Amino acid sequence: DIQMTQSPSTLSASVGDRVTITCRASQGISSALAWYQQKPGKAPKLLIYKASSLESGVPSRFSGSGSGTEFTLTISSLQPDDFATYYCQQYNSYTWTFGQGTKVEIK
Amino acid sequence: EVQLLESGGGLVQPGGSLRLSCAASGFTFITNVMTWVRQAPGKGLEWVSGISGSGHSTYYADSVKGRFTISRDNSKNTLYLQMNSLRAEDTAVYYCAKAVAVDYMDVWGKGTTVTVSS
Repeated sequence: DIQMTQSPSTLSASVGDRVTITCRASQGISSALAWYQQKPGKAPKLLIYKASSLESGVPSRFSGSGSGTEFTLTISSLQPDDFATYYCQQYNSYTWTFGQGTKVEIK
Repeated sequence: EVQLLESGGGLVQPGGSLRLSCAASGFTFITNVMTWVRQAPGKGLEWVSGISGSGHSTYYADSVKGRFTISRDNSKNTLYLQMNSLRAEDTAVYYCAKAVAVDYMDVWGKGTTVTVSS
């Protein structure tokens, strides 16, 4: 099974900061990677798919990059609405695996 | 508007059973892979099960294989998850989610809570 490892687990940042979250796959997954944002008590929301494609309606300050085993989610200028937990997810032949999550907190 | 609405959660004793439902609207249900994802209290997301559009192919995480059964009724635009032999570690919010092709999940329901406790 493919394992996904995110780092860091928690990130403290201020409004306006550039934030980067890393996700590593235990084996190559090409670009089969998505990023989700989740706020407390709410369902996850799709941000990025196919490693770097921005979901419709998602602000352009969010971007994704990478392929193979290493991926990043970048928030170019952190906004108050962005404090949340972020998950990466690989999708491969009818199995889906999430990373353990990265909580972005107010510094 | 594309919508998913889960129901059927509740409190059940260890070893018991529960059936979750997910009513879909706003898209062509039969053409989409559907999935269940759960989240234990204070924990991350865990994929549970997936089913092809026809319902002929089903997939499970190792943690639920042999105990949970996913199914769908395309005439009713409804997804199901039959959960048997429930354990305390199955306690979670269960989300249904629509997949794009066999890929990422673009639409999520609000979730239904399952608590397994005596």
